[in-house]
Parts: sequence; structure tokens; C-alpha cells
Amino acid sequence: EPEVTQTPSHQVTQMGQEVILRCVPISNHLYFYWYRQILGQKVEFLVSFYNNEISEKSEIFDDQFSVERPDGSNFTLKIRSTKLEDSAMYFCASRRGGITGELFFGEGSRLTVL
Amino acid sequence: AQSVAQPEDQVNVAEGNPLTVKCTYSVSGNPYLFWYVQYPNRGLQFLLKYITGDNLVKGSYGFEAEFNKSQTSFHLKKPSALVSDSALYFCAVRDLTGSARQLTFGSGTQLTVLP
Repeated sequence: EPEVTQTPSHQVTQMGQEVILRCVPISNHLYFYWYRQILGQKVEFLVSFYNNEISEKSEIFDDQFSVERPDGSNFTLKIRSTKLEDSAMYFCASRRGGITGELFFGEGSRLTVL
Repeated sequence: AQSVAQPEDQVNVAEGNPLTVKCTYSVSGNPYLFWYVQYPNRGLQFLLKYITGDNLVKGSYGFEAEFNKSQTSFHLKKPSALVSDSALYFCAVRDLTGSARQLTFGSGTQLTVLP
């Protein structure tokens, strides 16, 4: 069964460093998402991406964040200058076209900012 | 705006007993509702969804959910709980007639099934 894959599974970084989290969505999906989950808390929407541009973003997704689909398969989340409060599990998700399709999530990338 | 409430942080049930995990939602238009499950250190797995039609929706692993429009609820149920059902359960909503396209998740309910 096709699945969303994410790398790395765990990254430790120093505050102020840049981090890139990578995702390979399911191949025939058209909509891509990043969510995050701070330990023990709810799953929060960050950004959605369709047709090579951001379609929606939350208040969390400020200028420190960016997304890119550089090669038609990878979907990346970049945090330019990490803060302690960016420590969280970051989930990538994708879905087919059509408003009723469910999201398929990856296993997540745990980011620890020291 | 769309929102989801899961009023119980924790639900404990004995194996073999029926379980219910509660969810209420708020949308301005028509809701599109989901349940996802998260096992420790794993991603979210889709369980079931409601769009329109029959108010009782059947999903994976014997789970079902009942849509109640008047109570704006979408409770997750299973007739006979298994220890392996122990996990974190999230309800989510998307407003089908609104401009938002993302899913909004509830805060999650930790289900523990006791042997």
C-alpha cells in the first residue's frame, strides 16, 4: 500500500540553526500538508500546498517557515532559524484531488531544538 | 471558523466492554468529519469519515461513529474493546462549504483498554 514517507525520523539541532524536513507524498496525490504536534498536545495545521503554491497557512507558519516541492516528488518544510518552541513532531500528509479525500499521514519527524 | 472538542482526555474501559470516545464539532456550513488513531511514536492512521448519507459510519478495526446533526456530535464507538485498541484518538473536521480546506483536529483522547 502506498504511503507517505518522512525523513529524518529524528533531528536534534541548536537554536538558531536551519532545519529542512523532507517528505515524499503518495505519488498520485495533489494536495500536501504539514502539521505539527508538540509533545502531548493537539495536532496543529501549519500549511497546505497545491499546484506548486501555498493554498492555506496558519498563524504558526510565520516568516521563519517555508515549503517547497523542488522536484515533483519531495515536499520540504524549512525552518530558517529554529527556536526552542519549534521542538515538536512534524507530520507531512497528502491527499488526492477532490474535497472529500482523507489525508494520509507520514510517521513524522521529531525535531528537538536545544 | 471550524473547531472540534474532545471533552475527555482519557477514557478507560475493560477489554470486551463497549467503548465510546466523544467528539463535538462546530462549523458554519456542512461538516466533513474524521477519526484518526495514533499509536505511540507513530503517525496518524485514518479510521473512518462521514460526508453525507447514513449517520452510522463503519470504519477500520471494527470501529464505527455516529453522526448526530442536532447535537453536533460524532462519537466513536466499538462494541467490544481490545487491549490493542489502546491508543490516542483524534477527531477532525473540515467545513465542506467554507473556504478552509485544512482539517482541524481535536485535542485527542487517550484510550486505555484494561485486560
